[in-house]
Amino acid sequence: DIQMTQSPSSLSASVGDRVTITCRASQVISNYLAWYQQKPGKVPKLLIYAASTLQSGVPSRFSGSGSGTDFTLTISSLRPEDVATYYCQKYNTAPLTFGQGTKVEIK
Amino acid sequence: EVQLLESGGGLVQPGGSLRLSCAASGFTFTTYAMSWVRQAPGKGLEWVSIITGSGHSTYYADSVKGRFTISRDNSKSTLFVQMNSLRVEDTAVYYCAKSIPSSGYLFPPIDSWGQGTLVTVSS
Repeated sequence: DIQMTQSPSSLSASVGDRVTITCRASQVISNYLAWYQQKPGKVPKLLIYAASTLQSGVPSRFSGSGSGTDFTLTISSLRPEDVATYYCQKYNTAPLTFGQGTKVEIK
Repeated sequence: EVQLLESGGGLVQPGGSLRLSCAASGFTFTTYAMSWVRQAPGKGLEWVSIITGSGHSTYYADSVKGRFTISRDNSKSTLFVQMNSLRVEDTAVYYCAKSIPSSGYLFPPIDSWGQGTLVTVSS
């Protein structure tokens, strides 16, 4: 099975900082990659799918890129409401594995 | 508005069984693939299973294959998962989840989640 590895596991950044989270697949998955945001005590929310397509209603400071095995989620200017754990997920084939998550905090 | 309401969680002994249900509303249920995703306390998301809109095809995580069975009743807009031979490591909040429109995807990503139901496997 394809493994999904996110880095870093956690990060602390200042408001206004550019934040980048990476997700690496152990095999090529084309662009079948989604990013989710889970705020503390809340259910996950879809941010991006097809590696770079912004889900409706998601702020434009979120963006995704990559193809093949290496992907990134970028928050262009971190805001306090972005404190959350972010997960990538592959969906080209089953199992639809999630990454282990990246916890984003405010410094 | 999409609503997904899970039920059926609770405390069960190791080796026991449980059936979770998810009542869906606010969308044309039969059009969308549906999934179960779980989250152990303080841990990350784990995909469990997905079923196509027709119900004809199902897929499972290796960790539950042979023990869990996903199904759906499109006439009642309800998703199910039958969980047998439960293990302590199956303890988690189980989320019912709706996929985005297929648009050619066999396994579309998830755009809506229920609030989850807690399953605790313990003696």
